This record gives sequence, C-alpha cells and structure tokens, in this order.
Amino acid sequence: QQQVRQSPQSLTVWEGETAILNCSYEDSTFDYFPWYHQFPGESPALLIAIRPVSNKKEDGRFTIFFNKREKKFSLHIADSQPGDSATYFCAASRGQGTGSKLSFGKGAKLTVSP
Amino acid sequence: AQTIHQWPVAEIKAVGSPLSLGCTIKGKSSPNLYWYWQATGGTLQQLFYSITVGQVESVVQLNLSASRPKDDQFILSTEKLLLSHSGFYLCAWSLENTLYFGAGTRLSVL
Repeated sequence: QQQVRQSPQSLTVWEGETAILNCSYEDSTFDYFPWYHQFPGESPALLIAIRPVSNKKEDGRFTIFFNKREKKFSLHIADSQPGDSATYFCAASRGQGTGSKLSFGKGAKLTVSP
Repeated sequence: AQTIHQWPVAEIKAVGSPLSLGCTIKGKSSPNLYWYWQATGGTLQQLFYSITVGQVESVVQLNLSASRPKDDQFILSTEKLLLSHSGFYLCAWSLENTLYFGAGTRLSVL
C-alpha cells in the first residue's frame, strides 16, 4: 500500500519556469514531510522539509506548500535551471527521530530544458 | 563530520552466487543504520534498519539478510542471488528525521 503518492511521474519545464511537483498522503498522523532529490548516478539527498506547524517553507528557489486538510504538499522550484534536472522524491513520517519510518513516494523525474 | 562509505562501488554477479555489501560510518557513535534498495528508475525501498550492534530489523523479505557486527559497520548479504536483486543498494544513517545516504553499490545480476 503506497502511503505517499506523487504526481506527475515526470515533468519537463523550460529554464526560468516554475516546476511544481505534487504529493498526497493517507495517514493523518504523519507530521514530517521532506523532499529528497537524486541526480543521475548519485544517491538521494535531503532538499527541504516541512512540519505542519506551518503551511509554507522556503529555501532559496525551493518552496514547500502544505495543505493539512487535503493531506497534500507540493514542491515549487522557481526559476528552474538545467542543473535542477533530477528525480525528486517526497516522503512522510511521524514523530521525532523517525528516519527509520520514512515512507517515500515513487519519484518524479524533472527535466529542465535550456 | 560524519562520513559513510559503501563498498564495492559496483558488482556484476551471476544468478545463484553469494553477495556481500558493506557500509561503514565514521564520526557518529551508535548511529541508526539502514539498507535501501532502488530498482532502476524506481522508488526507495527500505530493507533493514539497525539501532545497535547485533540488532537488525527486517522491513521486507527479499531473500537478503543484514548484520551489524560493529557499531560503525552494516553488512548486507545473501547466499544465492536472484535476477530480481539487481539494482542500487544504499546504506544510510539518520539524524533526527533526516536520512543521509552513502554513494551506493550498483548491482547487476546476470
């Protein structure tokens, strides 16, 4: 049972556009929502994360929007660059120190065309 | 600073042959350690996790086993590889809710 669902599976945008990647989850007790990115041939790395005490988290060009009522969260990449081309995984877990319980989505491949 | 090292970088193995993959972490005492598997183009599937020496929890059954012989070492193994074992194997440690992955081992089973 997929606890975290991602859409779209792949996305192509032009350089300078905003890329939007979406996730939804089932378990209302989830309280930690990270995004990881993985460049071709490399291992995943944490990009940005949010806890539902707020509905928005920004880090430079990357923003998470969180909607607790609809159990959805999204990653917006502003001013997309070719170097942002990667696979992005959303994930969710509950509680503190629960790296062992992260549920990952299936991933979304982003291609930024120059 | 913590560093995580996986070995080997890549393996090509025959179906039915044994396998041993290793992972060591330096700069972190008593880390929580994990093994993940990723099929080509696929999601991240947790296989095992360990919170202390000698203790390993299995998350999915894939005819694989794991051991933690030392505080800083995590081993993934099987006596008999299947074609379905091909993929990218990632060792990771966690701090709070964040996973930090090693560079991974790419396994091809032929």
